Amino acid sequence: DTAVSQTPKYLVTQMGNDKSIKCEQNLGHDTMYWYKQDSKKFLKIMFSYNNKELIINETVPNRFSPKSPDKAHLNLHINSLELGDSAVYFCASSRLNSPLHFGNGTRLTVT
Amino acid sequence: TQLLEQSPQFLSIQEGENLTVYCNSSSVFSSLQWYRQEPGEGPVLLVTVVTGGEVKKLKRLTFQFGDARKDSSLHITAAQPGDTGLYLCAGESMDSNYQLIWGAGTKLIIKP
Repeated sequence: DTAVSQTPKYLVTQMGNDKSIKCEQNLGHDTMYWYKQDSKKFLKIMFSYNNKELIINETVPNRFSPKSPDKAHLNLHINSLELGDSAVYFCASSRLNSPLHFGNGTRLTVT
Repeated sequence: TQLLEQSPQFLSIQEGENLTVYCNSSSVFSSLQWYRQEPGEGPVLLVTVVTGGEVKKLKRLTFQFGDARKDSSLHITAAQPGDTGLYLCAGESMDSNYQLIWGAGTKLIIKP
């Protein structure tokens, strides 16, 4: 039944490691997003894909690479993790120009 | 750069009181969305306002879009502990490429 599901829920890893977060939506939406929410709860867009094509690519380190194998999936791969990458990462989906449906977040802790 | 200033950042009140949260900008938005986020979950859409001056009600929550579509408010009447959460406003940019401009959020705590 879950509309936007992302895994894992929690991710604890050491500096320098490479990790991936997966996201899937079963709403039939054509647009998917990755957001980062910092400790002050501010939501910042990272990437947006529409029909598997990148349409928003905000200023994020190129250690972050999104991959959209199909319209229902948008994964986030992070290379060489740094302490400052610790945050909650949210996947979301929508029809174009419509409100967002968010997943429940992945809390990433880099030690 | 478009900004959406949300206030207050934090509000702790007693059950039964009324409160208002504001989102203000110097930019015009196509629409404005309000979300609520609870701990350990993602934001969930409450309402979208589209027309300048529009007022929408969701039980005890009243949402208003400014006449010039630059600001919005959320008023909660007789707040309940279940209203506790992080309230976020997001304005849809009128620029090309559908882009949401997010407020910094209002953390609301309703004490029983």
